[in-house]
Amino acid sequence: GNSVTQMEGPVTLSEEAFLTINCTYTATGYPSLFWYVQYPGEGLQLLLKATKADDKGSNKGFEATYRKETTSFHLEKGSVQVSDSAVYFCALSQDQGAQKLVFGQGTRLTINP
Amino acid sequence: DSGVTQTPKHLITATGQRVTLRCSPRSGDLSVYWYQQSLDQGLQFLIQYYNGEERAKGNILERFSAQQFPDLHSELNLSSLELGDSALYFCASSAGQGKNIQYFGAGTRLSVL
Repeated sequence: GNSVTQMEGPVTLSEEAFLTINCTYTATGYPSLFWYVQYPGEGLQLLLKATKADDKGSNKGFEATYRKETTSFHLEKGSVQVSDSAVYFCALSQDQGAQKLVFGQGTRLTINP
Repeated sequence: DSGVTQTPKHLITATGQRVTLRCSPRSGDLSVYWYQQSLDQGLQFLIQYYNGEERAKGNILERFSAQQFPDLHSELNLSSLELGDSALYFCASSAGQGKNIQYFGAGTRLSVL
């Protein structure tokens, strides 16, 4: 079945550091890929998405590129801020049939000033 | 604000009891999804409804059931509650079928004592 694997957390960085959170997936066909973010006490918000190979999703300084050859969708940001502290989830959905989201385990990110 | 409303925010109940969680989707969205977030299982898809009809089932226990009403709001019913049912339950909605983004509510935190 489909699955998503994220790098283990928690991750702690200093403000303005470079961020990478690794995400790899297993799926049949050509899934859509997503990064969702969960701030404390809130629901999940879509951060960015990519729907086909080599697409780059970007939002709020975050980027991720859909790499079919390595089945990866790593999240990157050049300079993190304290306000980026949250839990980040990588997810996929198949475009055929039910569009349920399959999530990775989540990576807790803490940015220190 | 995602536009998806979940009530109540918190529920505390005892083992063996039955509870109902409610979700109002974004205006115009026809699909509703339910997810469970727990420490040991992570974020898991439970069930999807589209325009009143069940579309897909995930890891939903037989003690759990859901429905979507003509006004498109949805309810998740959890019965014969066990300690292990304690979790955050999220509802998400999307416009319909195909490559649609899912928008999440803030969740209902269920504590079974």
